[in-house]
Amino acid sequence: SYELTQPPSVSVSPGQTARITCFGDALPNQYAYWYQQKPGQAPALVIYKDIERPSGIPERFSGSSSGTTVTLTISGVQAEDEADYYCQSADTIGTSVIFGGGTKLTVL
Amino acid sequence: QVQLQESGPGLVKPSETLSLTCGVPGSSISGYYYWGWIRQPPGKGLEWIGTIYHDGSTYYNPSLKSRVTISVDTSKTRFSLRLSSVTAADTAVYYCARLVRGYTYGRYYYYMDVWGEGTTVTVSS
Repeated sequence: SYELTQPPSVSVSPGQTARITCFGDALPNQYAYWYQQKPGQAPALVIYKDIERPSGIPERFSGSSSGTTVTLTISGVQAEDEADYYCQSADTIGTSVIFGGGTKLTVL
Repeated sequence: QVQLQESGPGLVKPSETLSLTCGVPGSSISGYYYWGWIRQPPGKGLEWIGTIYHDGSTYYNPSLKSRVTISVDTSKTRFSLRLSSVTAADTAVYYCARLVRGYTYGRYYYYMDVWGEGTTVTVSS
């Protein structure tokens, strides 16, 4: 098993771009996923397979990957985007699910 | 859109077994998808517990494996979690989820695309 490391918090002003990173040694060989969790709610998938966006997720959410780091980018941040964001991946044999520690996005 | 619903006791005594069920009303657990459990202690992050396929094959978090059993109901409309010998550290919101798992272009993909709303379980005497 391996770990995924995220910054505990990111702050941006409305309309700016938020970037949340996730580091993991195995990420060059494994897909990454991102979930948004608002207070009192279940997580919701916002990015899958590094860069794909599920239907219904606004275009301002995008994902990218470069080596051992994946990034969730939220362009033109809105107040409603304030939430906890978790990256997730899998072990090399596709049996275990691994979560990052989560990043709290604050919209100033 | 499929909906998942967790059910089970909200309070479990230390050393006893936590049992939860996830219903998939109007759908069948058979087929393409996997099904699993994730938990979140108060104020903390997400922890994957385990995954099951309709044929009964299971994958468990190594840190919980000795205490976890996930099973599919014979009706194929719900699946269950049993966690034995619980302590206060097992107090959490427990989520059931639908998982997508496969292999393409040399990599596994494995993620949760639908989540239940979660149920709070407190371990206390």
